[in-house]
Amino acid sequence: DTGVSQNPRHKITKRGQNVTFRCDPISEHNRLYWYRQTLGQGPEFLTYFQNEAQLEKSRLLSDRFSAERPKGSFSTLEIQRTEQGDSAMYLCASSLHSGGPYNEQFFGPGTRLTVL
Amino acid sequence: DAKTTQPTSMDCAEGRAANLPCNHSTISGNEYVYWYRQIHSQGPQYIIHGLKNNETNEMASLIITEDRKSSTLILPHATLRDTAVYYCIVRLTDSWGKLQFGAGTQVVVTP
Repeated sequence: DTGVSQNPRHKITKRGQNVTFRCDPISEHNRLYWYRQTLGQGPEFLTYFQNEAQLEKSRLLSDRFSAERPKGSFSTLEIQRTEQGDSAMYLCASSLHSGGPYNEQFFGPGTRLTVL
Repeated sequence: DAKTTQPTSMDCAEGRAANLPCNHSTISGNEYVYWYRQIHSQGPQYIIHGLKNNETNEMASLIITEDRKSSTLILPHATLRDTAVYYCIVRLTDSWGKLQFGAGTQVVVTP
């Protein structure tokens, strides 16, 4: 399967702990996105990378959140000092941007975070 | 990006066409209409997009009104596997790709 993969699929942690999620995009996709989705809502944009450069961060991404994409390949999303409000599904997507107006985003299955 | 309005939910009988409406009355001339869907416990999946002409692919058809203020996604022969939340999204053509999802329409296909 050459789709977007995310690990772990589920994470349960205690409030105050740090967690890290990993996303492996489709090979050669130069754009990578992180979204967060709470129950009953559509995904909300968190941040975006073009290759290894993080070009945009949502106001939802507090200073407890950090994302990296070293070497423009896989990406990690870390949440420090987790809070119960961080409980959500964290989705990763990737796309290939070649200069045109359209770039379909391919989503991974998500990592479901539960903060106790 | 323009805001969209969709019904909260709709039912459809298996084998029949499902017509999903979307209002985007504030759409501007350089904004595309995109449709994604999300099957339970999966990430969203791209369906189709269009600017002003009607579009069709192997999954669905997209009908955009002449004034571009609304559109309809048509699933020609709904199957049980089409049960999902369907999102209508409007995005700038020169946007770097951020998708702004609303709450979408929960479509339930029944036997």
